[in-house]
Amino acid sequence: GAVVSQHPSWVICKSGTSVKIECRSLDFQATTMFWYRQFPKQSLMLMATSNEGSKATYEQGVEKDKFLINHASLTLSTLTVTSAHPEDSSFYICSATPGQLGGNTIYFGEGSWLTVV
Amino acid sequence: QKEVEQNSGPLSVPEGAIASLNCTYSDRGSQSFFWYRQYSGKSPELIMFIYSNGDKEDGRFTAQLNKASQYVSLLIRDSQPSDSATYLCAVNPQGAQKLVFGQGTRLTINP
Repeated sequence: GAVVSQHPSWVICKSGTSVKIECRSLDFQATTMFWYRQFPKQSLMLMATSNEGSKATYEQGVEKDKFLINHASLTLSTLTVTSAHPEDSSFYICSATPGQLGGNTIYFGEGSWLTVV
Repeated sequence: QKEVEQNSGPLSVPEGAIASLNCTYSDRGSQSFFWYRQYSGKSPELIMFIYSNGDKEDGRFTAQLNKASQYVSLLIRDSQPSDSATYLCAVNPQGAQKLVFGQGTRLTINP
């Protein structure tokens, strides 16, 4: 299957600092990338959808100024959690698709555990 | 009503038996449906997807789709302890370039 790589796998940061998570599609060009957040024992919650070269579309309730998403190329998207606080501690997962979902599927990265202390 | 609903479980099945996981969705226009498996602390991994009414088989897994009833299921034959995980149903709503996930069903296969 297609490979989506996420980095870092886990990160600990101090409250008030910013942290960047990278998501790369290794063997296909991702027209669309998605960022999810998952709290323990809960399902995946879509945060935003990004298309290469355009602004991300954020889901309702997600602060776009706090969660900065950049999709600079067809193989790379980044999520920056700005001024992180302990309540932002979560499992962040990116995913990518090579085309329209009707004819393609979504592949997930390995996820990034963020702990804000 | 949630867009995608699953019984959170836990669902316990003896080893070797058939595990049946169910999912209902609210958007009648949804076109594509996915089943993912997620082990604790790990990212979801795709098991299979289905677009057309009926059954789709892949090894020990069979996905069943009934668009009239807005229902999709996953059957796991000859269940193994390694199948113990949370199974996520995901739906691509009509006209949307995204997947909406259910809350997942926690499955335990007992040796």
